[in-house]
Amino acid sequence: NAGVTQTPKFRVLKTGQSMTLLCAQDMNHEYMYWYRQDPGMGLRLIHYSVGEGTTAKGEVPDGYNVSRLKKQNFLLGLESAAPSQTSVYFCASAIDGGLNTEAFFGQGTRLTVV
Amino acid sequence: DQQVKQNSPSLSVQEGRISILNCDYTNSMFDYFLWYKKYPAEGPTFLISISSIKDKNEDGRFTVFLNKSAKHLSLHIVPSQPGDSAVYFCAAKKAGTASKLTFGTGTRLQVTL
Repeated sequence: NAGVTQTPKFRVLKTGQSMTLLCAQDMNHEYMYWYRQDPGMGLRLIHYSVGEGTTAKGEVPDGYNVSRLKKQNFLLGLESAAPSQTSVYFCASAIDGGLNTEAFFGQGTRLTVV
Repeated sequence: DQQVKQNSPSLSVQEGRISILNCDYTNSMFDYFLWYKKYPAEGPTFLISISSIKDKNEDGRFTVFLNKSAKHLSLHIVPSQPGDSAVYFCAAKKAGTASKLTFGTGTRLQVTL
């Protein structure tokens, strides 16, 4: 069982380029999330989705767009990458939005914008 | 505004001794607290959690204590093992907020032989 899979694992972009990060989960989870981790900052929520076809902004949404066309996939897009978006990106999924619901994380995507 | 804080970036403990990781929070609306463990090049994995209505939760070698009046929680690992060496994140969430997590900055634990 794969759990949460992120593609790609590493990427180097030039400033202004665009790219899409793919998150796929095979646990039939309703909720999915994108976080970024930066040194000294912990993980911060970018966008999230509470079900197929829905998306919502998190704490740091600027410069990113997301789509959840299929329940199992949550895409994170950077339309015009900036050096400030150099980070490690983590996708997570959860079966529902309950308090004691566990979130499962992917292995991360390390993105460098030069 | 860092609502969840882990003031110790790193901690070194000898194998077999107790590891105590601390976490403070500022938002009294948090209802649930979690600890995640992260190895290099992997995603965080859930370790243990506690509801705001409890003051202690234990799971094997791991115990989480919550002091709501002080807005403080701690994770105790007894006995510490070399495989416990990782970064530990404290996280919190509020009821009715789609299970969104607010993370602390992490504490890197090194368990030495």
